Amino acid sequence: AQKITQTQPGMFVQEKEAVTLDCTYDTSDPSYGLFWYKQPSSGEMIFLIYQGSYDQQNATEGRYSLNFQKARKSANLVISASQLGDSAMYFCAMRERDSEGYSTLTFGKGTMLLVSP
Amino acid sequence: ETGVTQSPTHLIKTRGQQVTLRCSSQSGHNTVSWYQQALGQGPQFIFQYYREEENGRGNFPPRFSGLQFPNYSSELNVNALELDDSALYLCASSLAAGGLETQYFGPGTRLLVL
Repeated sequence: AQKITQTQPGMFVQEKEAVTLDCTYDTSDPSYGLFWYKQPSSGEMIFLIYQGSYDQQNATEGRYSLNFQKARKSANLVISASQLGDSAMYFCAMRERDSEGYSTLTFGKGTMLLVSP
Repeated sequence: ETGVTQSPTHLIKTRGQQVTLRCSSQSGHNTVSWYQQALGQGPQFIFQYYREEENGRGNFPPRFSGLQFPNYSSELNVNALELDDSALYLCASSLAAGGLETQYFGPGTRLLVL
């Protein structure tokens, strides 16, 4: 089974509207972290937001919020008031310990977001 | 900008050659991780270095090797290059290893193997 699943290959949104990018995960480690990164065409991975498995409240960072539903193992990214500069590839990632105790970061396949004027 | 730098930005090699990619971590960070991102895919974890020792490895063959130096900068070496090694190689740094700390990425090195 895939550890991180992003079911939306591409999403379109109009400027100033909100958009939700889906992410589900699978782990047996009770202590894990969930991350969202943005990757523009330049290639650099830009950290957006983090949610720890024990965090009681959903994480927020400016226009980004993470809708964390632990029982459903989902960690959707919500971008409010989309801007043209938000057009990029978005990756969900999970940090957990592997069988040898090492901490690893696993990425999903990504969702391409296009924001139109 | 994260403060993580990588060199070179682009590289073209031929099959069978060897390549060395370099990464300087963000100030204060002691852990460096390397990822391979093939076109249209998410990054795949290669390995991680913490205090100059390998501290975790993904599903990559031994011809992928690395080093971390006392200043926490790092190198990724790939021997006997194959066409499938063509990818964006990303380096990420973080403050400590073994926890759930955030990793900050550099701009990447685009490697093309002909």
